[in-house]
Amino acid sequence: ETVMTQSPATLSVSPGERATLSCRATQNVGSNLAWYQQKPGQAPRLLIYAASTRATGIPDRFSGSGSGTEFTLSISSLQSEDSAVYYCQQYHHWPPWTFGQGTKVEIK
Amino acid sequence: QVQLVQSGADVKKPGASVKVSCETSGYTFTSYALHWVRQAPGQRLEWMGWINAGNGDTKYSQRFQGRVTITSDTSASTAYVELSSLRSEDTAVYYCARDPSGGSSPWGFFDYWGQGTLVTVSS
Repeated sequence: ETVMTQSPATLSVSPGERATLSCRATQNVGSNLAWYQQKPGQAPRLLIYAASTRATGIPDRFSGSGSGTEFTLSISSLQSEDSAVYYCQQYHHWPPWTFGQGTKVEIK
Repeated sequence: QVQLVQSGADVKKPGASVKVSCETSGYTFTSYALHWVRQAPGQRLEWMGWINAGNGDTKYSQRFQGRVTITSDTSASTAYVELSSLRSEDTAVYYCARDPSGGSSPWGFFDYWGQGTLVTVSS
């Protein structure tokens, strides 16, 4: 099973600043990496797939990069509504497809 | 618009079974795979299995093999997950989620999600 590890666990960022989240896989997943945003009491929402492609309707302040085992999600100018937990997920090796443990983004 | 609407919260005793439904609308049900993902309190998301809504093929995570069954009713555009031999560790929010692949093989990520169903296992 491919284990996904995210860092940091919690990120506190001021509005308008840049947030950078990391995700690491225990084996090569190519570009088969997705990012999701989850707010309290809500289902996850797809942000990014294929490591860097924004899903429909996702603002361009969200960007993804990386390949192989190291990936990054950047939020260029943090807004209050971006406060959430962010999960990465690999879909290269299955079953099972696997998720990271999440990074909580807080607004300072 | 694409919608996935799940059944309501449920409470079960250890050893019992639970069945959660996911009614879809806004797209052709048989053209897309559906997955089930769960999230225990404070834990990461965990993929359970998927169904090809077109032909009924299924694949399950080894972790749930033997305890989970995913089915679908094409006439109702609805998918179901049933988990048996419940234990306290199965207390979680269960989500259905659509795979964006329109083909016979899933891509393995999820573009639309149901609202989630809380299943509580308690004696």
